[in-house]
Amino acid sequence: DQQVKQNSPSLSVQEGRISILNCDYTNSMFDYFLWYKKYPAEGPTFLISISSIKDKNEDGRFTVFLNKSAKHLSLHIVPSQPGDSAVYFCAAIGTSGSRLTFGEGTQLTVNP
Amino acid sequence: NAGVMQNPRHLVRRRGQEARLRCSPMKGHSHVYWYRQLPEEGLKFMVYLQKENIIDESGMPKERFSAEFPKEGPSILRIQQVVRGDSAAYFCASSPFAEAFFGQGTRLTVV
Repeated sequence: DQQVKQNSPSLSVQEGRISILNCDYTNSMFDYFLWYKKYPAEGPTFLISISSIKDKNEDGRFTVFLNKSAKHLSLHIVPSQPGDSAVYFCAAIGTSGSRLTFGEGTQLTVNP
Repeated sequence: NAGVMQNPRHLVRRRGQEARLRCSPMKGHSHVYWYRQLPEEGLKFMVYLQKENIIDESGMPKERFSAEFPKEGPSILRIQQVVRGDSAAYFCASSPFAEAFFGQGTRLTVV
């Protein structure tokens, strides 16, 4: 049962343009959502998060949007840079005691 | 504050041997996760532990795999009688509650 889904395994974007990574979830008990970035041969690094009481959180070039009614979140990166090329995982967690659940990841490639 | 430390970074084992992977969480973190990443695949949850307790082990294979997070010392993921299919990158993450911070991983190669 895949509770967190990233339906696009890959995304290719031109440098300077916007990258939009999408994530859907099915568990309505999730109330905190996170995005991680992973380079090859390294551990994932935390990027940005959002609580279910908000619909937007911004940090520099990164903005996460949450649509609770659609059970959908997205990560916007603007402007995209070649160094942003990595695998991006969305993750969700619910009430205390539940564990972090990850999506399958989306490989972002930003072309110079 | 040091990050999550995993060791060894690379581990080579012959089929049938035991593999022990260690994870020292960040200071003050009482939750530890273990994930496995097979080649060309995403992160697969294995086990979620608190100090001296296994909270969720729904992702652990039923045989040969075990994990612990003792009161003192690192969390250990143990794989007994390794097989070639166990070759993967194993990531540990620690968490105070929500955000999880990952180590650099241990790459296990079974020959």
